[in-house]
Amino acid sequence: ETGVTQSPTHLIKTRGQQVTLRCSSQSGHNTVSWYQQALGQGPQFIFQYYREEENGRGNFPPRFSGLQFPNYSSELNVNALELDDSALYLCASSLPNVGELFFGEGSRLTVL
Amino acid sequence: RKEVEQDPGPFNVPEGATVAFNCTYSNSASQSFFWYRQDCRKEPKLLMSVYSSGNEDGRFTAQLNRASQYISLLIRDSKLSDSATYLCVVISMGSTLGRLYFGRGTQLTVWP
Repeated sequence: ETGVTQSPTHLIKTRGQQVTLRCSSQSGHNTVSWYQQALGQGPQFIFQYYREEENGRGNFPPRFSGLQFPNYSSELNVNALELDDSALYLCASSLPNVGELFFGEGSRLTVL
Repeated sequence: RKEVEQDPGPFNVPEGATVAFNCTYSNSASQSFFWYRQDCRKEPKLLMSVYSSGNEDGRFTAQLNRASQYISLLIRDSKLSDSATYLCVVISMGSTLGRLYFGRGTQLTVWP
C-alpha cells in the first residue's frame, strides 16, 4: 500500500450541492496533487499543493478549490456540483520534482 | 491537441504473447516519461520510468524516441496478471512540480 489514504471512498450528491474530499499523504511527502479521472479516461490534473500553498492548477473552474494543512494532508472542495463532475478523484503525494506519484485509492463521486 | 495520445485498445492477447503499446506526446520540451499501470477500479501505480537509451525490467521494455516524440512499452511472455490499463505519462519542462500529463490509457486483457 502507498500510505496515501482518501475519504470518503464513495459518495453520491445531487446537482448544486457541495462536496469535500480528504487526503492524507504518505509520511515525509510535502507535495499533494489532485486528479480527476472520468470513466475511460486518464487522470486529469486539477491542482497541486506544496507546503500549504497552491503550486499550479489545471484547466478546472474556480468552484474546484483546495487546502493543504501543516501536516501535509489536503482537502479538495467542489461547489455547485454538475453532472459532469461525476468521476474518480485521486490524491497523490510525492516529493518535489520527482515523477513518481503515490496515489490513494480515490474517492468515487456520483452526481445525480 | 492533447498532451499525450494513446491507442485505448482494448488489446486482447493469449498468455505468452508479446504485446506493444505506443504513445505520442505533443510538447517537444517534455523531459520525463513513465508508464503507470492501473488495475480495474484501483489507483494508478508506477510501472517504470522511460529513459532515452531504453530500459528493461524483466519482461517489460520501454523505449523513447525523442525525434518522433514517441514512447513504447513492450511486454513479453504475457501473464494473466498483466491484465490492466497502461497509462503513458509525461512531465513537461517548466510544468508545475508533480504535474503529470496522462494518456487515456491502453487496456490489456490476457486470456488463458
